Amino acid sequence: DVKVTQSSRYLVKRTGEKVFLECVQDMDHENMFWYRQDPGLGLRLIYFSYDVKMKEKGDIPEGYSVSREKKERFSLILESASTNQTSMYLCASRGTSGGARITGELFFGEGSRLTVL
Amino acid sequence: KQEVTQIPAALSVPEGENLVLNCSFTDSAIYNLQWFRQDPGKGLTSLLLIQSSQREQTSGRLNASLDKSSGRSTLYIAASQPGDSATYLCAVNQGGSEKLVFGKGTKLTVNP
Repeated sequence: DVKVTQSSRYLVKRTGEKVFLECVQDMDHENMFWYRQDPGLGLRLIYFSYDVKMKEKGDIPEGYSVSREKKERFSLILESASTNQTSMYLCASRGTSGGARITGELFFGEGSRLTVL
Repeated sequence: KQEVTQIPAALSVPEGENLVLNCSFTDSAIYNLQWFRQDPGKGLTSLLLIQSSQREQTSGRLNASLDKSSGRSTLYIAASQPGDSATYLCAVNQGGSEKLVFGKGTKLTVNP
C-alpha cells in the first residue's frame, strides 16, 4: 500500500521558533509537494521537488524553505514561525513513468496541524 | 492562469440517492484530472485519476468523467451512504507542469 507519513499530526510553537515538518514516502516517487490548507482559501502550493536536491517554488513560498537530501524525505522548514503560518500542512508525493516528469496519482499524508502562538 | 471551480460548495442528500459532483476548469490543456476525498482534519485520499486521453474512470460506486473540450468533469456517486459524507476535491495537472490546481471542494452530507 501507498504510504506518505508526516512526522507530527499536531504541533504548537511560539512566534520566532524554527519549525521542521518532515514527510517520508515509501513509493520511490520522484515528485514531492508541500501544501497548506486554510478555510476559504483551499490548498495552496508552497514548494515542490521533482528530484533529490531539486526544488521549485510554488505559489506561496515566502517564509518557508525546503530540503530534499534523500528521495524518500521532503522537509518543510519555517525559519522563524509567525502566527499567520498557523495552518494545516499537507505533504504529497507522485511517481512518474516513461521518462516523463509528470504523471501519476498524487498521494497525501495525514496532515500536520501547526499552531503558532 | 488555470482556475478550477466546484459548484455547489455544499450538498445535502438522503441516503440511497445517486448524485453528481461537478468540477470545471478554464484551460483545457491539462495532463490529467484527479478526484479526492477529505474527511475533517485529515489528509486527502485519492479516489480516481483520469488521464487527458480518457473519458471516464470507475471504482466501485464512483464514476468520474472528463470532457476536456468543455472544461468539465463530474464525479457520480451511486447509492450514496452516510459514510460518503466528506469534502470532495478535484485537481487538474496543467500540461507541461508538475503543478496541480485544486478546486475548493464540495462538502457532501448524506443523511441517514
